[in-house]
Amino acid sequence: DSGVTQTPKHLITATGQRVTLRCSPRSGDLSVYWYQQSLDQGLQFLIQYYNGEERAKGNILERFSAQQFPDLHSELNLSSLELGDSALYFCASSVDGTPGETQYFGPGTRLLVL
Amino acid sequence: QKEVEQDPGPLSVPEGAIVSLNCTYSNSAFQYFMWYRQYSRKGPELLMYTYSSGNKEDGRFTAQVDKSSKYISLFIRDSQPSDSATYLCAMSGSGSSNTGKLIFGQGTTLQVKP
Repeated sequence: DSGVTQTPKHLITATGQRVTLRCSPRSGDLSVYWYQQSLDQGLQFLIQYYNGEERAKGNILERFSAQQFPDLHSELNLSSLELGDSALYFCASSVDGTPGETQYFGPGTRLLVL
Repeated sequence: QKEVEQDPGPLSVPEGAIVSLNCTYSNSAFQYFMWYRQYSRKGPELLMYTYSSGNKEDGRFTAQVDKSSKYISLFIRDSQPSDSATYLCAMSGSGSSNTGKLIFGQGTTLQVKP
């Protein structure tokens, strides 16, 4: 158990819908990362937050947004869902979000868009 | 061309074999090199971590980094069926961006047969 929790574990929804994925980092970690894992693209970095502020952005679609709240949990919002958004979404956390730090991954949310 | 290239396999070996997993990369700014192990339907977990060039050994696992060739390797000695998993190489840089975002290879699926 990494100490990072993600809810829900599974999500099935239809195209055009909007969903929210939730992540709670390990106790003491201030930085949260979101990654998307698909069969064709592998594990890709989406976005990073540190203590409530966005620190880095990767290949995140405009239909996707995220935020980190004062209690340090984070939410990833996916809207106008398309079939191609079906993937595993992982949250990871680290102490201060700097290069070389160990990132601890949650169990992931499996999203299926029908 | 992807920043990090990794042969997805699958790789099947008999129990007790030495396994060699490799990644190449193109971004010379990468300074931190990791290997993550991912069991089916689980989140990745950190297996090995190396800073800059050199070797690191931990039990049956050895990680090597050759920055001059932009090539990293993971060796598993005396492989066990419990080593069957997907192995992901990951890298991050240093410098003014101050982000620990990880760039992953595609992952190599390894099966160790009893």
